[in-house]
Amino acid sequence: AQSVTQLGSHVSVSEGALVLLRCNYSSSVPPYLFWYVQYPNQGLQLLLKYTSAATLVKGINGFEAEFKKSETSFHLTKPSAHMRDAAEYFCAVSSGYSTLTFGKGTMLLVSP
Amino acid sequence: EAGVAQSPRYKIIEKRQSVAFWCNPISGHATLYWYQQILGQGPKLLIQFQNNGVVDDSQLPKDRFSAERLKGVDSTLKIQPAKLEDSAVYLCASSPRQGTNTGELFFGEGSRLTVL
Repeated sequence: AQSVTQLGSHVSVSEGALVLLRCNYSSSVPPYLFWYVQYPNQGLQLLLKYTSAATLVKGINGFEAEFKKSETSFHLTKPSAHMRDAAEYFCAVSSGYSTLTFGKGTMLLVSP
Repeated sequence: EAGVAQSPRYKIIEKRQSVAFWCNPISGHATLYWYQQILGQGPKLLIQFQNNGVVDDSQLPKDRFSAERLKGVDSTLKIQPAKLEDSAVYLCASSPRQGTNTGELFFGEGSRLTVL
């Protein structure tokens, strides 16, 4: 069985501030981990993915995430938030040949 | 390259009525998925096709939901009869290969269903 827990349904930051979105996973086998972003009235778009290569993964739009096996975490960060980063972010896990299991999502709010 | 196309974008029906959603995946993508996204929750897989065969439909409420992927290309998801709790966004996604552990899913914009 696999699952994802995203801490905080909403995160608010000021423009230029550090963004940190938390994700913890549970998996009985080595996981593959993903972050997706969803802008209003749009589908999901892949930000980045971890597939057992480097533990620090860089994605699009300046986002990155670090896989920490000891903490079963895959937190998403960005050094400096932009207004255009306001969206909903989903962490997802896949194990073996199973399909993606998504977390409940974290809404990122960016204020000027 | 054209993305995943879905229609209609919005649909409002009354409970016990029927509705159908259509999806055309990215050309050449073998795998097609239907996800249900209820407000405030993450997407939940309803059904996965590999070409025109069903790989996983364990979470599809088969008493009211049905889906098909004729000729291994586009797909239709049907709900009959609809219940209030079916109000959600129905997302279609495709992938060029079987399995999602190393692959990326490409999502359409979704079809938003409101059941009154």
